[in-house]
Amino acid sequence: NAGVTQTPKFQVLKTGQSMTLQCAQDMNHEYMSWYRQDPGMGLRLIHYSVGAGITDQGEVPNGYNVSRSTTEDFPLRLLSAAPSQTSVYFCASSSGQANTEAFFGQGTRLTVV
Amino acid sequence: AQTVTQSQPEMSVQEAETVTLSCTYDTSESDYYLFWYKQPPSRQMILVIRQEAYKQQNATENRFSVNFQKAAKSFSLKISDSQLGDAAMYFCAYRSGLGTGANSKLTFGKGITLSVRP
Repeated sequence: NAGVTQTPKFQVLKTGQSMTLQCAQDMNHEYMSWYRQDPGMGLRLIHYSVGAGITDQGEVPNGYNVSRSTTEDFPLRLLSAAPSQTSVYFCASSSGQANTEAFFGQGTRLTVV
Repeated sequence: AQTVTQSQPEMSVQEAETVTLSCTYDTSESDYYLFWYKQPPSRQMILVIRQEAYKQQNATENRFSVNFQKAAKSFSLKISDSQLGDAAMYFCAYRSGLGTGANSKLTFGKGITLSVRP
């Protein structure tokens, strides 16, 4: 009963480096999303996907790229890391039905130095 | 666009006492869902309680209950008989009730840190 698996849990990057945060869910959920959590800001939506091959931007998409080649996987790519991207990142999935809850991964604490 | 406001950044409660966490929201929609999520130090996001806007009855889950005032656009969380394990950050969140797809996104408040004094 894995739910949403997000890796890695911690990562330190140098400015300008690239990396991919992995997210996988085994609940056959249509809707997947990425949030970032910053102190005093709550969780803000970066990108989301409503199904394989379909993605769209959220509130804070700049500097991030996503793709959804399968229902299960929704990776988040940082193309050229900046200190402003230091944050905690969460992947979430849901069936997309309004009355169902979203399930979250355990988060990735990313530090860009 | 919908907004969710949690104006109290921190609260404290004595163990076994009752505490109420406030949340207000703004929307032009009539059909929507509201949630409270708990985030303990482990960082895991845990659903505490949900409320459907079309339901007049306030949701309850054991020691957790809400006071949902639709006209006032208020959605507070009451924690009764507070326990040390309730210490966490709590987020209020909004979700549109208008179908699926892009409307599946959650809009979060900034969160409130609850501490429980033994």
